[in-house]
Amino acid sequence: AQKITQTQPGMFVQEKEAVTLDCTYDTSDPSYGLFWYKQPSSGEMIFLIYQGSYDQQNATEGRYSLNFQKARKSANLVISASQLGDSAMYFCANPGSARQLTFGSGTQLTVLP
Amino acid sequence: DAMVIQNPRYQVTQFGKPVTLSCSQTLNHNVMYWYQQKSSQAPKLLFHYYDKDFNNEADTPDNFQSRRPNTSFCFLDIRSPGLGDAAMYLCATSRDPPSVYGTSSETQYFGPGTRLLVL
Repeated sequence: AQKITQTQPGMFVQEKEAVTLDCTYDTSDPSYGLFWYKQPSSGEMIFLIYQGSYDQQNATEGRYSLNFQKARKSANLVISASQLGDSAMYFCANPGSARQLTFGSGTQLTVLP
Repeated sequence: DAMVIQNPRYQVTQFGKPVTLSCSQTLNHNVMYWYQQKSSQAPKLLFHYYDKDFNNEADTPDNFQSRRPNTSFCFLDIRSPGLGDAAMYLCATSRDPPSVYGTSSETQYFGPGTRLLVL
């Protein structure tokens, strides 16, 4: 079965510093995609960034980038220059053989002023 | 701006009183989803529509029903809400349904959610 693992239940980062949120996945599919979402306390799930397994380069989107290591089956989210508004729950997700989006357990990020 | 809209943002209902949550989208996406999310948990997929084809998850209780009268709108009906149904309900859309390939066209875009309280 598809499995997404986020090992950091909570993370703290100082404002303006970079932070890495971990995500590992377990798949035997030759082609797959990974998605990261942000969920502030308001509840809305906000799509951040996508990485395809065959993409030649690591995905970047503004202050968000992915450290994608295919051999290690990891797709860690890097947030540069953290802002107070980045405080939220972050979910890694992957469709996979379940034919539905499988989410990790999430990481609660708190940005300190 | 293209978006996913959910109404209402907060819904209070009584135990056993039917309630309907609504979702609309201006993205013209083929797929619409309903998720249930309880506190400190990841969202749980209830069902989804791929165009008019309804796909129910095996563990979704019969108490939950859905309708998609057209491309833009999708409704979640809870026929007899119990205290355990209090949760955040999230609607999402995507151009293509999830697959083993996980392409970018499967990216799901979520609405702001409806928080349901059952008294």
